[in-house]
Parts: sequence; structure tokens; C-alpha cells
Amino acid sequence: GNSVTQMEGPVTLSEEAFLTINCTYTATGYPSLFWYVQYPGEGLQLLLKATKADDKGSNKGFEATYRKETTSFHLEKGSVQVSDSAVYFCALSDHGYNKLIFGAGTRLAVHP
Amino acid sequence: GAVVSQHPSWVICKSGTSVKIECRSLDFQATTMFWYRQFPKQSLMLMATSNEGSKATYEQGVEKDKFLINHASLTLSTLTVTSAHPEDSSFYICSATGTDDQPQHFGDGTRLSIL
Repeated sequence: GNSVTQMEGPVTLSEEAFLTINCTYTATGYPSLFWYVQYPGEGLQLLLKATKADDKGSNKGFEATYRKETTSFHLEKGSVQVSDSAVYFCALSDHGYNKLIFGAGTRLAVHP
Repeated sequence: GAVVSQHPSWVICKSGTSVKIECRSLDFQATTMFWYRQFPKQSLMLMATSNEGSKATYEQGVEKDKFLINHASLTLSTLTVTSAHPEDSSFYICSATGTDDQPQHFGDGTRLSIL
């Protein structure tokens, strides 16, 4: 069945450092790929998405490219801020936004 | 933006009791609501999908009689954990969407602890 694997956290960075959170997936067919973020005390929010191979999703300085050849959707940001501290979830779906399959989540802590 | 409110945020109860969790869409009509369960350091696992006015569709391995889902209106879905036991302790999260081409909006989750 479909699955998502993302790097274990926590990831601890200093402000303005470069961020990469790895995400790989297993799927039959061509799923849509998502990154969700959960800030402390809040629900999950959609951060960005990509619906087909080579698409790049971007939002708030974050970006991720749908790589079919490596079945990956790594999240990157060139310069993180303290306010980016949160848990990041990679997810996929064969049905638009429905039936999301999530990775385990990666906690990011950014220090001043 | 679209807001989903989940209540309660935290509940502790004795083994054998039933617990009801509410999920409300505050500023939009939620034709579809989803219920997830999350164990520590693990993924969110989809438990069931509910559409307003119809029976919920449960994922494989989820006990329908254990986890009762009602989606009686376009703004409210409830999850009732019946005869709860310690192994039911977990973090339960709901989400809602107005149409299939819109992202799910998530509640803040409910931490359930069964003693």
C-alpha cells in the first residue's frame, strides 16, 4: 500500500540556517504530495502541495519539488526563523485532498 | 480562514466509560469530515470519513462499534469512543472540508487518557 517516510526529528537549527526535511513515498500510480505544518497548540495547516512530477510547491519561503524518479518530496527553506519552529508532516493522496496518508512528522526547533 | 473547533482538548476518564468528542466547522459547511488517530511519534492514521447525513466509511481495522461517528449536520461531527479502555488512549484529530477540491482544515486535536 501507499506510505510516506520522513526523517526523524527533532531537527535543531540556528536562525538563518538552511533547512532540509527529507520525505520519500511509496505509491502505486501518481499521487498528490503535501507538506502540512503544526505550530504549537494549533491544528495542522497545509503548507504547500504538488500534484504531478517536477511540480514545485512553495509557500512562506518553503519549497518542495515532486521528484518521481527518486520518489521524494523534500522540504527546504533557505533561512529559517524562530517562528518556523513546529512539527512538519509530509503526506500523499490518490484522491485529491481526501484520504491523506501522513508521515510520522518531524519536529523543527529553531534557536535565536 | 476556515476554522475547525474540536472539543474537548483533553479528557481523562475511567475504563469502561464512553467518551464523546465534537468537531465543528465554525465558518463553512463541511460536507466531509475526517477522524484521525495519532500515537506518540507516529503518523496520523485515518480512522474514518463521514459525509453529512450518511453513514461513516471506516478504514480497515477500525472497529465501527467501538468508534461511533455521527455527522448529523453540515457543521458538526462527533466521535464516541464506547466502553473505552487504556489501549484507546491516544490523540484524536478531526478535519473538515467543504468540497473534494479544497484542503482539509484540521482541529487542534483531543488527547484521550483512559485510566
